[in-house]
Amino acid sequence: GDSVTQMEGPVTLSEEAFLTINCTYTATGYPSLFWYVQYPGEGLQLLLKATKADDKGSNKGFEATYRKETTSFHLEKGSVQVSDSAVYFCALSGGGGGADGLTFGKGTHLIIQP
Amino acid sequence: KAGVTQTPRYLIKTRGQQVTLSCSPISGHRSVSWYQQTPGQGLQFLFEYFSETQRNKGNFPGRFSGRQFSNSRSEMNVSTLELGDSALYLCASSMLPGQGLFYNEQFFGPGTRLTVL
Repeated sequence: GDSVTQMEGPVTLSEEAFLTINCTYTATGYPSLFWYVQYPGEGLQLLLKATKADDKGSNKGFEATYRKETTSFHLEKGSVQVSDSAVYFCALSGGGGGADGLTFGKGTHLIIQP
Repeated sequence: KAGVTQTPRYLIKTRGQQVTLSCSPISGHRSVSWYQQTPGQGLQFLFEYFSETQRNKGNFPGRFSGRQFSNSRSEMNVSTLELGDSALYLCASSMLPGQGLFYNEQFFGPGTRLTVL
């Protein structure tokens, strides 16, 4: 079946540091890829998405590029803020290897220190 | 436009009891999916409903069930609760169901935190 692998953390960075959260996937088809963010006490919010190879999703300074050759969708941000502290989930859909629901990674807890 | 609402937000039950959780999707959305979130297993897909029919089901025992009403509101039920059922249960709605390669963006509610004692 489909699967998503990402570093679990916690990842601790200082404000204004560069962020990379790695995400790789396994799918039998050609999935759509997503990054969701979960702030404390809240549900998931879609951060960005890419639906085909070489697409770049971007939102709120975050970016991720769909790399089919390396089956990756790494999340990056050039300068993080304390308000970016949250749990980030990489996910896929439509990979052909399971139910039509989203398949999530375990989540990466990001802590930004002032 | 109002978001996805879930009730109740918090629930405490004891082993052996049953529980019903409710989800109201965004107006106009006809598909509702349920997910279980635990520290150990992460986020796992439970099932998806569209037009009052279950379209897909994840790998969960039959104690987990759901239904959808004609107004697209959905409920999920867990019978004979076990300690391991303690989790955050998230509901997500989309205009149409996922159809393999054609993904329809899901919008998540805040979740219901279930604690089983």
